[in-house]
Formats: sequence, structure tokens, C-alpha cells
Amino acid sequence: GAVVSQHPSWVICKSGTSVKIECRSLDFQATTMFWYRQFPKQSLMLMATSNEGSKATYEQGVEKDKFLINHASLTLSTLTVTSAHPEDSSFYICSASRVNYGYTFGSGTRLTVV
Amino acid sequence: AQKVTQAQTEISVVEKEDVTLDCVYETRDTTYYLFWYKQPPSGELVFLIRRNSFDEQNEISGRYSWNFQKSTSSFNFTITASQVVDSAVYFCALSDPYGGSQGNLIFGKGTKLSVKP
Repeated sequence: GAVVSQHPSWVICKSGTSVKIECRSLDFQATTMFWYRQFPKQSLMLMATSNEGSKATYEQGVEKDKFLINHASLTLSTLTVTSAHPEDSSFYICSASRVNYGYTFGSGTRLTVV
Repeated sequence: AQKVTQAQTEISVVEKEDVTLDCVYETRDTTYYLFWYKQPPSGELVFLIRRNSFDEQNEISGRYSWNFQKSTSSFNFTITASQVVDSAVYFCALSDPYGGSQGNLIFGKGTKLSVKP
């Protein structure tokens, strides 16, 4: 079956530093990758959609300069949280999709900014 | 606009009870996909089912069953003889006509199920 590897699983960083999260489709080429954020006891909220080789499309209210998304290949997308602050602490989860394959989610990254 | 409503925020049952999680959706698309995911405390999303809008047959998979009723825009999920391991947050989601190749998933707010021994 389709597998998406996301790492790190958890990360603690100091306020003001940047953190990179990787999302890799292991056994298929993903047409599109999605990045979600989930605050405690809340639902998943889409942050951005990215297609390989093109700029990501960000949802309203998501700062594209703060949440940098790179989708350089059909199997890898990265989310970089720049100059992280405590309010960026959240659970970030990626999803990869391709035609007729549906969605496959990564295992998520729990980010804590101190 | 697309929307998914899971009116039950939390449900608590005792082991071996049956439990139904409700999901009501709104969409203007005639073709769409519906999903259920399980999110245990560890956080990962576990895929349970994907159903397209043209397939209204109910589905059963072990202790899990799903009732899709287009007339009421509902896609309810029933767990029979619940077990402690079923404790998790369950999300219902709706996608565009492409079933995942282009559009994103619209998630409901989730229902937290607690199964007590």
C-alpha cells in the first residue's frame, strides 16, 4: 500500500529558530501534497497545497513567508517554519495524493516552540 | 461551499456496546468522495473507508459498518461490540470529484470516542 513518511515525529525548538519538516512518499509518486495543522482537540486545518515543481497555494490566513513549502520532486515535500514562535506550536501533518489513489497521510510532527 | 458536520463532540460507551458516529455533509458537487479516519492518541490518521457519491451501498468491515444516505446527506459510522482499542478521535471528511488527485479534504471537527472497560 501507499506509505508516506514524515519526520521528525516531534521537535522542540527555541523561539526564533527555523524548523524543517519532511514528507516523503515511499512507494508512489504524489501528484499533490497537502499540509495540515491541528491544534489540540481541534480538527485538521489545511495550510497549503503543493504540486511538484510549482509554488504552493496557501489557504487564507496562512503566512507564506513564515511557512515555506518546497515540493521539489514527486516524492518529497518540505515545510519550513521560519522564526518559530510559541503560537506555532502545533501538530503538523502532511498528505500525499495521486489520481485514483486517494490520500495517504504522514504520521505527523508535533512541534513545540519554547 | 463544502462542509462536514460531526455534531457529537464526545461519546463515552462501555465495552461491547454498539456506537454510531454521525456525519452530515454539504456539497454542490454531484460527484464527491466521503472518508472516515481514526486518529488515536499517537496522532497519526488511520484511513478507514472511502466512498464515492454514486455508491450508496452500505459497507461492513468486521465490527465497522457505514451507512451512506444521499437523501439526508449523511454518512454514519457504526462500531459494533466496541472495544477499548476503539478509543480515538474519528473524523469524517469530504473531497472534491477527483477523490484526492487535485482537491483537498474537508474535515469535520471530529468525535472523540471513549470506550471504557
